[in-house]
Amino acid sequence: QQPVQSPQAVILREGEDAVINCSSSKALYSVHWYRQKHGEAPVFLMILLKGGEQKGHDKISASFNEKKQQSSLYLTASQLSYSGTYFCGTEFRNDYKLSFGAGTTVTVRA
Amino acid sequence: GAVVSQHPSWVICKSGTSVKIECRSLDFQATTMFWYRQFPKQSLMLMATSNEGSKATYEQGVEKDKFLINHASLTLSTLTVTSAHPEDSSFYICSASSGHHLYSNQPQHFGDGTRLSIL
Repeated sequence: QQPVQSPQAVILREGEDAVINCSSSKALYSVHWYRQKHGEAPVFLMILLKGGEQKGHDKISASFNEKKQQSSLYLTASQLSYSGTYFCGTEFRNDYKLSFGAGTTVTVRA
Repeated sequence: GAVVSQHPSWVICKSGTSVKIECRSLDFQATTMFWYRQFPKQSLMLMATSNEGSKATYEQGVEKDKFLINHASLTLSTLTVTSAHPEDSSFYICSASSGHHLYSNQPQHFGDGTRLSIL
């Protein structure tokens, strides 16, 4: 079951914030976040495993709600290097594989 | 760390040719490797999961005889597209994980992908 990811696209000016959401119809085991730049491989950002968890590095962070059905990725004070397509990958218990959302294309402009 | 090498980067060949794509984990042992297909501006679609030394598990709708996967060691998996046709043209990406085969508490690290064009 592919997660629902929103929005499809977002355009930001440098320094602005954005939130990307990833939702599942049933509880997840884990959520993985990746960023892919055009013509390149996806790059791992972070994994969330626990309900209520929040984590991040630099100004990119993510949360996993208590019911483990929704995760959000937060881009704070965006930089030009944040441009790319962000994918969430979700995993159900005992199903050791990821289903990826449709992706959110982020464009950060100077 | 966690570097995955995939090659070739691109290949163009005639219809009916078989094409082999290699995926290597350079600095870690990959318990599991995954093969994805990605169409332009679309998401990653999982084709199959392979564990070292065992048969690959294919997703529904993926032809096993068409897409042969071999995971010979903890650092190498290969995907062979047999008798390729134009509809097989796509971007194929592998990923590798050192996670346990029952749950993915470790990230997947992706290769750079192979752009396959069948004429």
